[in-house]
Amino acid sequence: KAGVTQTPRYLIKTRGQQVTLSCSPISGHRSVSWYQQTPGQGLQFLFEYFSETQRNKGNFPGRFSGRQFSNSRSEMNVSTLELGDSALYLCASSLGETSYNEQFFGPGTRLTVL
Amino acid sequence: DQQVKQNSPSLSVQEGRISILNCDYTNSMFDYFLWYKKYPAEGPTFLISISSIKDKNEDGRFTVFLNKSAKHLSLHIVPSQPGDSAVYFCAASGDFNKFYFGSGTKLNVKP
Repeated sequence: KAGVTQTPRYLIKTRGQQVTLSCSPISGHRSVSWYQQTPGQGLQFLFEYFSETQRNKGNFPGRFSGRQFSNSRSEMNVSTLELGDSALYLCASSLGETSYNEQFFGPGTRLTVL
Repeated sequence: DQQVKQNSPSLSVQEGRISILNCDYTNSMFDYFLWYKKYPAEGPTFLISISSIKDKNEDGRFTVFLNKSAKHLSLHIVPSQPGDSAVYFCAASGDFNKFYFGSGTKLNVKP
């Protein structure tokens, strides 16, 4: 089985711009979660989608949004970029039917905001 | 507020010896715990999990122990190998796929 893929792998934007990141889960996985990783902060949960519905949300401002398509692929959008949004954005997929499913991560998208 | 903490940012161990990585959590509603390994420029790789109905889970060289009363879990790697050198994250959840991660422990296994 192919793993979780994320595109693009690297992105450079300037303050005020918006960005869209894409995540394709493992085939058969219906849950996609997004995380932000910054140095010293570990991984911070952004949100999780299951069957095209946002099922869980972390404590991030409304500038961070996402969606999931019928094929389980997910996109994350960040509007009005700030310098502090520079981070590694990771998505993870899982079966999602129960609370006890392992999450499998993609390689991440490295976003740099100038 | 950090609900999952890994208080040791780094750990150095000799090849062949045991590596013990620790993790503490504050939320008693957490009932599912995972350990991940992460190499630079890659996403975290799932290692092992444990649910709150167990206190131990083994998978080859990796064993996770859960002490619910102390809100503490640990990952034991025996024997440690140089290829185990990476950053290890613990994660906890009490809700569907809403995981809280620790800040990671960098393990260095010396040949």
